[in-house]
Amino acid sequence: DTGVSQDPRHKITKRGQNVTFRCDPISEHNRLYWYRQTLGQGPEFLTYFQNEAQLEKSRLLSNRFSAERPKGSFSTLEIQRTEQGDSAMYLCASSPGANVLTFGAGSRLTVL
Amino acid sequence: GQNIDQPTEMTATEGAIVQINCTYQTSGFNGLFWYQQHAGEAPTFLSYNVLDGLEEKGRFSSFLSRSKGYSYLLLKELQMKDSASYLCAAPIYNQGGKLIFGQGTELSVKP
Repeated sequence: DTGVSQDPRHKITKRGQNVTFRCDPISEHNRLYWYRQTLGQGPEFLTYFQNEAQLEKSRLLSNRFSAERPKGSFSTLEIQRTEQGDSAMYLCASSPGANVLTFGAGSRLTVL
Repeated sequence: GQNIDQPTEMTATEGAIVQINCTYQTSGFNGLFWYQQHAGEAPTFLSYNVLDGLEEKGRFSSFLSRSKGYSYLLLKELQMKDSASYLCAAPIYNQGGKLIFGQGTELSVKP
């Protein structure tokens, strides 16, 4: 296993378009987290899953954002009607229970 | 509420020692993490302290004082490759391992 994989690594889109990011966690990890990080700031929590159940969503996650983890393995984060303020690095992390989080390299979104 | 504070940036010289401080306020306590993040890369785990005191791991050590809500990361024998952002993070009590992060301390190591 090579760790947490995220795709795409970079996405440039026009305002109003929809984008989807994928995260493949470490295979034996049952918890999966999405974070957002802007330049010069620490990661901000968005949502997390235990297996396929989405257990918490941050107030930062507007109704334009939706995340799924349909079979308890990979996860997708979709942003609808993107805005310039959505430009950020979207980080995925996984863990085997409430333990050390292992992060992926992130998906950088630029909204023009 | 939950809050984590750390300095925005620090500069140090190759071969020297640097201490990066972190103060935290959390409801409940479940330990304190340090992560390293090089520009454009994933945060990587450095240390986890749950008991008071100093834990040493090679050139890196981490200290925790629960009564003071204070931690520091100590980097010895600095190398140029240590230039990175250092993130202090705390799990939210009873919320499934969710971490809140400080803004990160950008460390620049100069020759």
